[in-house]
Amino acid sequence: NAGVTQTPKFQVLKTGQSMTLQCAQDMNHEYMSWYRQDPGMGLRLIHYSVGAGITDQGEVPNGYNVSRSTTEDFPLRLLSAAPSQTSVYFCASSYGGLAGGHTDTQYFGPGTRLTVL
Amino acid sequence: QQPVQSPQAVILREGEDAVINCSSSKALYSVHWYRQKHGEAPVFLMILLKGGEQKGHEKISASFNEKKQQSSLYLTASQLSYSGTYFCGTVDMDSNYQLIWGAGTKLIIKP
Repeated sequence: NAGVTQTPKFQVLKTGQSMTLQCAQDMNHEYMSWYRQDPGMGLRLIHYSVGAGITDQGEVPNGYNVSRSTTEDFPLRLLSAAPSQTSVYFCASSYGGLAGGHTDTQYFGPGTRLTVL
Repeated sequence: QQPVQSPQAVILREGEDAVINCSSSKALYSVHWYRQKHGEAPVFLMILLKGGEQKGHEKISASFNEKKQQSSLYLTASQLSYSGTYFCGTVDMDSNYQLIWGAGTKLIIKP
């Protein structure tokens, strides 16, 4: 099993550009999520999904869109990049759905380091 | 609301013990502990559930005081490999079962 994979590992964007961060998992997990981590801070939830076709907003959703067409993939789209979106982005997955997810281990991808100039 | 971790940082000699605390202002369903090494993804350590159930590594111990809405992570006989930043994540009745993460505790182990 590859676990949770993310691409790209590094990305530099100019203000106003759009892009999609890719996330995939091969563990048949229902729950997937996107976090951003800023220097010296903890993880902040952007969006999450409890299954294919179901997504919801987290703590900091503005400027980001997600979709979940398959169990395996959960891409994150930056609509119009801003310098405030410079961060490290982590995708995570866990076995359970909404209520069960909080009792299950979250498996994190290696992260995408994004810089917006 | 973000849980509060303490201390913010701690420096130990190899073999010493450490306690990392995590407290919330809300009643909690569960507390999760993860360790993150520099430049890497967080890695699971332990989950403590309301009611006393625990899931995690045998060599890591933790407590969860539901009444005080607090959890503590105990690192005994620390090894160099324990270095990293420790994060607690909490699930409370207002978070829609989503983890809310603390700011982290940086642990440095010196030989």
